[in-house]
Amino acid sequence: GENVEQHPSTLSVQEGDSAVIKCTYSDSASNYFPWYKQELGKRPQLIIDIRSNVGEKKDQRIAVTLNKTAKHFSLHITETQPEDSAVYFCAAFPGSARQLTFGSGTQLTVLP
Amino acid sequence: DTEVTQTPKHLVMGMTNKKSLKCEQHMGHRAMYWYKQKAKKPPELMFVYSYEKLSINESVPSRFSPECPNSSLLNLHLHALQPEDSALYLCASSQDPRTNEKLFFGSGTQLSVL
Repeated sequence: GENVEQHPSTLSVQEGDSAVIKCTYSDSASNYFPWYKQELGKRPQLIIDIRSNVGEKKDQRIAVTLNKTAKHFSLHITETQPEDSAVYFCAAFPGSARQLTFGSGTQLTVLP
Repeated sequence: DTEVTQTPKHLVMGMTNKKSLKCEQHMGHRAMYWYKQKAKKPPELMFVYSYEKLSINESVPSRFSPECPNSSLLNLHLHALQPEDSALYLCASSQDPRTNEKLFFGSGTQLSVL
């Protein structure tokens, strides 16, 4: 089945700096890659997603890039703010009626 | 309405109790899911209900029993749970179970088993 590895497990940045979280996947059939943000005590919330026919997608300060050949995708957050502090999960969907496989999560802390 | 509503928000139960978690969505989504999440870990899929069919993660113990009264409601019946079942239980829904796109999570039920 699909295996998703996520790095780093923890990340601290100064407010205003950029943050990058990387994920690799194993199943070349995976075609959908969402990113979820989960604040402490809250639900996971979809913040951005990308399909395999697109290499990059942006939404304000957040962007996701996908390299299908290398089977990795990354989340980029620019101009970080304290409210960006949360656990971020990447995921991959292998299709064929299977289900989302999540990465292990990254605790992002934005220091004021 | 882009909400998945779960009740109760918190639940404490003993190992001999029977309780139920409830989930409702009004987005017309075709699939609903139960996930279990331990602190600082990713959600783990327990059950999927889509197109009137139930799919089960075979590693889920039989003390968890899902029920889908209609396309917008999903319940999780709990019986004889163990302390290690203490976790955040998340309900989710998506428009198309074949793609899993735009998976919406509810706020969850924080369950403590004593």
